Amino acid sequence: QQKVQQSPESLSVPEGGMASLNCTSSDRNFQYFWWYRQHSGEGPKALMSIFSDGDKKEGRFTAHLNKASLHVSLHIRDSQPSDSALYFCAASEHWGSNAKLTFGKGTKLSVKS
Amino acid sequence: GPKVLQIPSHQIIDMGQMVTLNCDPVSNHLYFYWYKQILGQQMEFLVNFYNGKVMEKSKLFKDQFSVERPDGSYFTLKIQPTALEDSAVYFCASSLIWYEQYFGPGTRLTVL
Repeated sequence: QQKVQQSPESLSVPEGGMASLNCTSSDRNFQYFWWYRQHSGEGPKALMSIFSDGDKKEGRFTAHLNKASLHVSLHIRDSQPSDSALYFCAASEHWGSNAKLTFGKGTKLSVKS
Repeated sequence: GPKVLQIPSHQIIDMGQMVTLNCDPVSNHLYFYWYKQILGQQMEFLVNFYNGKVMEKSKLFKDQFSVERPDGSYFTLKIQPTALEDSAVYFCASSLIWYEQYFGPGTRLTVL
């Protein structure tokens, strides 16, 4: 069973719309979460990290973490065609240098102009 | 932003041969990682490396795998001998701070 599950698998939103991506962990040891974005032909690039319950906002991106339900979400407001990419949720048990990341399968986001 | 380079982008080899995947990490980074992604599946942690030593490895890091960073140059993943199930995209990552891993674009390895 995958320890990090993402939904939906794919998502299409109009330009200027809101995109909402979800991630749930089945492992209560996971305490630290990231959202990564990968454009075609490139490696994943970290968008945001979130380690505490609640919301974290960076520009158009807002992440929300609920540790009790092991659920983390990413909301992209005013979506742009350049936001079209594969989005990964990643989680780690450990704080510090031995932080290995466990990834979900990803959500493919398409923003239509 | 900081870039991690991977060479080559695609490698095709025959089963049983040796292959070395090269990673050029961000210059001042101290921690190095390899991840493996089989087509259609999630990226999975293989190994992390610091101060010349493997810190942690997963079950996917078979005995045929080895990593090194000789003289602070490329961080390499060597597979010897290769097997069909080693076909995947291998991503290298590096970090200075533990929570900021920078990933390369990946090397697609095809074992025939």
